[in-house]
Amino acid sequence: KAGVTQTPRYLIKTRGQQVTLSCSPISGHRSVSWYQQTPGQGLQFLFEYFSETQRNKGNFPGRFSGRQFSNSRSEMNVSTLELGDSALYLCASSKLAGTPHNEQFFGPGTRLTVL
Amino acid sequence: DQQVKQNSPSLSVQEGRISILNCDYTNSMFDYFLWYKKYPAEGPTFLISISSIKDKNEDGRFTVFLNKSAKHLSLHIVPSQPGDSAVYFCAASLTGNQFYFGTGTSLTVIP
Repeated sequence: KAGVTQTPRYLIKTRGQQVTLSCSPISGHRSVSWYQQTPGQGLQFLFEYFSETQRNKGNFPGRFSGRQFSNSRSEMNVSTLELGDSALYLCASSKLAGTPHNEQFFGPGTRLTVL
Repeated sequence: DQQVKQNSPSLSVQEGRISILNCDYTNSMFDYFLWYKKYPAEGPTFLISISSIKDKNEDGRFTVFLNKSAKHLSLHIVPSQPGDSAVYFCAASLTGNQFYFGTGTSLTVIP
């Protein structure tokens, strides 16, 4: 069974640009969550999508948005990039949402560098 | 506001000895706790979990202890092996899929 895939793996952008990251969940998984990992901050929850609907959202500005398609693939968009957005962005998928404590399977992440 | 904290950024242990990784949380409503292990250039992988109705869960060399009154979680690895060298994250959950992660502890097991 293929794991969670994320594209691209590495990305370099400049301040003010926008970026779109993609995540393909494990086949059969309908929930996709996004996290930002920075040194000293651990993994910060961005949002979760299930059946094309955003179910939960973390404490990030509106520049961070996402969406999920009917095949459960998800994209995350960051507009007007800032230097502080440089981070590893991780996507995790699980079978269901809203039921207690589904195990999340993480992708390898997209390393975004903002210059 | 960091609701889940791992106060030790790094830990070194001799092979064969016990590794103890600690985690503290502030929200008494958390009802499920997990540990993840992360190697460089890979995403975190699930290691072990515990529900708030339990105080201990064991899986092979890995045991997680939960002390709800102290809002403290620990992961014991016995015996430690060089392949256990990785970054360990603890996480806590309020609802199904929203998890709060700690900042991670980098474990080095010295052969």
